[in-house]
Amino acid sequence: DTGVSQDPRHKITKRGQNVTFRCDPISEHNRLYWYRQTLGQGPEFLTYFQNEAQLEKSRLLSDRFSAERPKGSFSTLEIQRTEQGDSAMYLCASWTSGYNEQFFGPGTRLTVL
Amino acid sequence: EDQVTQSPEALRLQEGESSSLNCSYTVSGLRGLFWYRQDPGKGPEFLFTLYSAGEEKEKERLKATLTKKESFLHITAPKPEDSATYLCAVQANEGGSYIPTFGRGTSLIVHP
Repeated sequence: DTGVSQDPRHKITKRGQNVTFRCDPISEHNRLYWYRQTLGQGPEFLTYFQNEAQLEKSRLLSDRFSAERPKGSFSTLEIQRTEQGDSAMYLCASWTSGYNEQFFGPGTRLTVL
Repeated sequence: EDQVTQSPEALRLQEGESSSLNCSYTVSGLRGLFWYRQDPGKGPEFLFTLYSAGEEKEKERLKATLTKKESFLHITAPKPEDSATYLCAVQANEGGSYIPTFGRGTSLIVHP
């Protein structure tokens, strides 16, 4: 399978705990995006990388959120001190500069109790 | 600020009943307009990218069209397997940003 993969698919955690999600993009894609989606809404941009450089972060993104993309390959999104409002689907997408097409992974469903 | 409004929020069709979904947008220079299909609990699936007014793209029973203010996704003779949420997003030219803005989507249900 050469698509975007995300791990885990589901995560249940207690309020205050830290969680980390992983995204493996399509190998030849140099841009990687993280989004958050809640029920009835479209994906909301969080941050994106071009190769290993984090180029933009949403102004709405709390300091509790951090993302990395070491060596321009896979990426991780960490949420510290989770809150119930963090419960959502976290989507990763990769994008090639050659074709203006973005491909999403299956998402990680986070539930904060 | 870029804005995307999709209508209707929800649409119920009988199998074979053709219809259109609307995506109205406000953007300072359009780099691209995207359509996605999303099934419950899954990530969005890419359908089309449109770049300029007058452009049309087709895939099976779907055809996407673009004007300077809106895009339509036409569904011809839909089948129950076309049931999904259809998302529209725009990407602006401004400042070299590659961040797309998504609408809330249209939930389509096709009854057999």
